[in-house]
Amino acid sequence: DAKTTQPPSMDCAEGRAANLPCNHSTISGNEYVYWYRQIHSQGPQYIIHGLKNNETNEMASLIITEDRKSSTLILPHATLRDTAVYYCIVRPTLSSGNTPLVFGKGTRLSVIA
Amino acid sequence: DAGVIQSPRHEVTEMGQEVTLRCKPISGHNSLFWYRQTMMRGLELLIYFNNNVPIDDSGMPEDRFSAKMPNASFSTLKIQPSEPRDSAVYFCASRIRGEKLFFGSGTQLSVL
Repeated sequence: DAKTTQPPSMDCAEGRAANLPCNHSTISGNEYVYWYRQIHSQGPQYIIHGLKNNETNEMASLIITEDRKSSTLILPHATLRDTAVYYCIVRPTLSSGNTPLVFGKGTRLSVIA
Repeated sequence: DAGVIQSPRHEVTEMGQEVTLRCKPISGHNSLFWYRQTMMRGLELLIYFNNNVPIDDSGMPEDRFSAKMPNASFSTLKIQPSEPRDSAVYFCASRIRGEKLFFGSGTQLSVL
C-alpha cells in the first residue's frame, strides 16, 4: 500500500473550516484514499473515501488533486466534538478483496473555542 | 444494529495470567480484524479473518497471542501468559468485503 504523510497536529477555531492535508505521492492507480478519525477513548470512525473525484457527505468533503498525489479533508464548520486524530489511508480498490487498513500516526486536530 | 461489540471493556490482570478478549462483529459482515493501540506504536493490525478463516497473522507479536473465529458471529483474542508490555487498547473491527470498516469500543487491557 502507498504510504501517507500527514502533519502531526493542527489547531482550528470553532466554527471555522478545518483543512487537513495528506500527501500520498506514491499512490497507485487502483488505490482509494480513505479518511477515518478517532475521538479520544473510542474506536476509529469512517469519514469518507474517494478515488479521483472530489467527494462530499454529511461529515466532510474530500478534495483530491488531479495528479492524485495529495488530498485534503475539509470539515466545513468545525465544532469542539471534531477534536480527534484524523487518519489518511490509501488502499486498493474494492475489487482487490479484503486487504486490511494500515493506520499511520494521523493528524491530531484540536478545535478551539 | 448494535455495532461491533467487544467485551470486557476494561481488564486488569496480573502478569502470567491468561486473558481472553471477545468480539461480536456486525451481522452480515464477512471480515474481522483485531488491532492493538499503544502510545508508542499507534494502531497496529494483529490479525484478520475472511469468512472465519485467518488470512494474515503476521502482526501477532508472539506465540503467546492467539485468535480464533469459530463462527461468523464471534471471535476471541487470547494472551497466555500475559506480560506488562501487552498493556494496550485492543480493537476489533468488521466489514463487508471492501466496504468501510466499523470498530468496536475497544478493550483497555492493563497487565500488572
